[in-house]
Amino acid sequence: EPEVTQTPSHQVTQMGQEVILRCVPISNHLYFYWYRQILGQKVEFLVSFYNNEISEKSEIFDDQFSVERPDGSNFTLKIRSTKLEDSAMYFCASSDSPSGPQHFGDGTRLSIL
Amino acid sequence: GESVGLHLPTLSVQEGDNSIINCAYSNSASDYFIWYKQESGKGPQFIIDIRSNMDKRQGQRVTVLLNKTVKHLSLQIAATQPGDSAVYFCAEKETGANNLFFGTGTRLTVIP
Repeated sequence: EPEVTQTPSHQVTQMGQEVILRCVPISNHLYFYWYRQILGQKVEFLVSFYNNEISEKSEIFDDQFSVERPDGSNFTLKIRSTKLEDSAMYFCASSDSPSGPQHFGDGTRLSIL
Repeated sequence: GESVGLHLPTLSVQEGDNSIINCAYSNSASDYFIWYKQESGKGPQFIIDIRSNMDKRQGQRVTVLLNKTVKHLSLQIAATQPGDSAVYFCAEKETGANNLFFGTGTRLTVIP
């Protein structure tokens, strides 16, 4: 069964450093998403992406964050100057339509020291 | 993909019994609902979805019921198995929006 894959599974970074989280969405999907889950809190929407541009973003997704589809298979989330409060699980998801189910990867655990 | 630290509602059932997991939502503009299962160390796994023009949908061993009048969603799992032990999340989406809003989740424990 096709799946969303995310790398790395765990990323440890010093505060202030840049980090790039990588995702390979399901191959025939065109709609991509990033969510995060801070320990002890709900899964929260960050951003959606379609046709090489952001279609929607939450207030969490400020100038520190950016997304990119650098090639035909990868979808990345960059956090420019990480803060302690960026520590969370980051999930990538994809769907074949804007109204279809979103399928999630297993996440990247980001730990900021 | 852990939900460690969340003060989750919990449900314990005997293997073979049916499970019912409930979810309340508040946004009357939500028209699409999904149930996800999250096992330890994994991401949310799609189980079943339902649109607001339906009140019931069945899958393999699972049924989702939607009551729009009271803004309530439930997931029924028939003949619960130990492999069903996980945290279950409901999520909702508004018409025209891209983002899912997730609930807090319910931890289901199946007792062999």
